[in-house]
Amino acid sequence: NAGVTQTPKFQVLKTGQSMTLQCAQDMNHEYMSWYRQDPGMGLRLIHYSVGAGITDQGEVPNGYNVSRSTTEDFPLRLLSAAPSQTSVYFCASSTRIGPGTDTQYFGPGTRLTVL
Amino acid sequence: DQQVKQNSPSLSVQEGRISILNCDYTNSMFDYFLWYKKYPAEGPTFLISISSIKDKNEDGRFTVFLNKSAKHLSLHIVPSQPGDSAVYFCAATYRGSTLGRLYFGRGTQLTVWP
Repeated sequence: NAGVTQTPKFQVLKTGQSMTLQCAQDMNHEYMSWYRQDPGMGLRLIHYSVGAGITDQGEVPNGYNVSRSTTEDFPLRLLSAAPSQTSVYFCASSTRIGPGTDTQYFGPGTRLTVL
Repeated sequence: DQQVKQNSPSLSVQEGRISILNCDYTNSMFDYFLWYKKYPAEGPTFLISISSIKDKNEDGRFTVFLNKSAKHLSLHIVPSQPGDSAVYFCAATYRGSTLGRLYFGRGTQLTVWP
C-alpha cells in the first residue's frame, strides 16, 4: 500500500497561472479532503468529498475547485493563482465504515509558492 | 471561529521529563478527539484518540485525558524523547457531523532537548 500520494512535492507559479495538485489513495477510502497549512494557522479545510461524484466546501474554498470522478483520486485545481495561495497543501483520506472511521491519513504535502 | 484551540504555540521539555500539551474546544457536540504529530516536510500522522465516553486513553508513552465539563483535553508524553520533537495538532469531530470532518487546532511545537 502506498497510502496517500501527492504530486508534485514542490511547485512555483506566477500570479494568474492555473494548476492541478494531484492526490491519490489506494486504501479504498470513501472520504477525502484537502487542507492548507499556513504558519500559525494550523490545518484549514479547503474542500472534501464523501464519495465519487460528491464534493463540498470546507472553511477556505475560494479560489479552488475539486472533482471526484473515482474513489482513488481527488485533484485540487487552482484556477488563477494568487500570492495568498502560497502554502503547504495536504490531502487526506479516511474510511466511513467500521472502527477508526475518524482517523484521517495524510499525504506528504505539496509546497506551493505563488510569485 | 476557532472551535479547537491550542493556546501554547510552543513547549520545551528536557529529555526524560513529562510533556503536557493542552487543547480546548468550544463545540459541545464534539464527541471524538484525536492528536496528530507532524515532522517538518512530512504529512501529519495519527498518534492517539479518545471517545467522549472515556476520560483517558493510553498507548505506550502517550496518554490523552479528556475533561468534558471543562471542554479540555491534554496529551501527556512520558518519558519525553528527542524524537518526539514535532508539531502536535489536536483535532475534534462529532459522529453526526459532515461525515468525518475534522476540526484542527493551530498546533504546538514540542522541543525535547537532551
